[in-house]
Amino acid sequence: AQKVTQAQTEISVVEKEDVTLDCVYETRDTTYYLFWYKQPPSGELVFLIRRNSFDEQNEISGRYSWNFQKSTSSFNFTITASQVVDSAVYFCALDPTITYSGGGADGLTFGKGTHLIIQP
Amino acid sequence: AAGVIQSPRHLIKEKRETATLKCYPIPRHDTVYWYQQGPGQDPQFLISFYEKMQSDKGSIPDRFSAQQFSDYHSELNMSSLELGDSALYFCASSVTVGGNPYNEQFFGPGTRLTVL
Repeated sequence: AQKVTQAQTEISVVEKEDVTLDCVYETRDTTYYLFWYKQPPSGELVFLIRRNSFDEQNEISGRYSWNFQKSTSSFNFTITASQVVDSAVYFCALDPTITYSGGGADGLTFGKGTHLIIQP
Repeated sequence: AAGVIQSPRHLIKEKRETATLKCYPIPRHDTVYWYQQGPGQDPQFLISFYEKMQSDKGSIPDRFSAQQFSDYHSELNMSSLELGDSALYFCASSVTVGGNPYNEQFFGPGTRLTVL
């Protein structure tokens, strides 16, 4: 069985501060994908990043960066110089199967989400 | 670029009524997933289809059924609606090609169902 834990239910920071959202996962699969999604108040799920279990290289995209550490089963997300528009609920998710032979439509397992509030 | 289309975007029903939600995947995507997100909750996987066959099943109630049609669109049928069915229902699609390791799911905007 898979499990994703986002221990931070809510985080509130002042604009321009850096903030890190934690994600810890559990899976018995040796191959898997990890995701981060943003859900603004409008409700849609906005894809931010996908990381496969073979690639532990950290990634940076503008003000966003991700730190994947397989040894601690963590996939943390950092926003640098936060902005009010970053206010949203952020979900970490796990896909336990990377399919190489076609087929396979496993549902994602989401964490409970972290509500990020950026105050002006 | 074309995205996943869901209709209707909003739906209001009474208890014990039925509802049908529709999902049109991204062109050439052959796999569809349904998720339910209750208020203040994380999305919960319901069911998925690959090439018109049920592929994986999550926490879908027996009152719900779904299918994928020959044009790859999918419908989620919900009967005997209960107050607890009020939620945001997401559809996602992906493409599965032999030897392709990518399994990224692209989410639609969701259908907000309110049961009164």
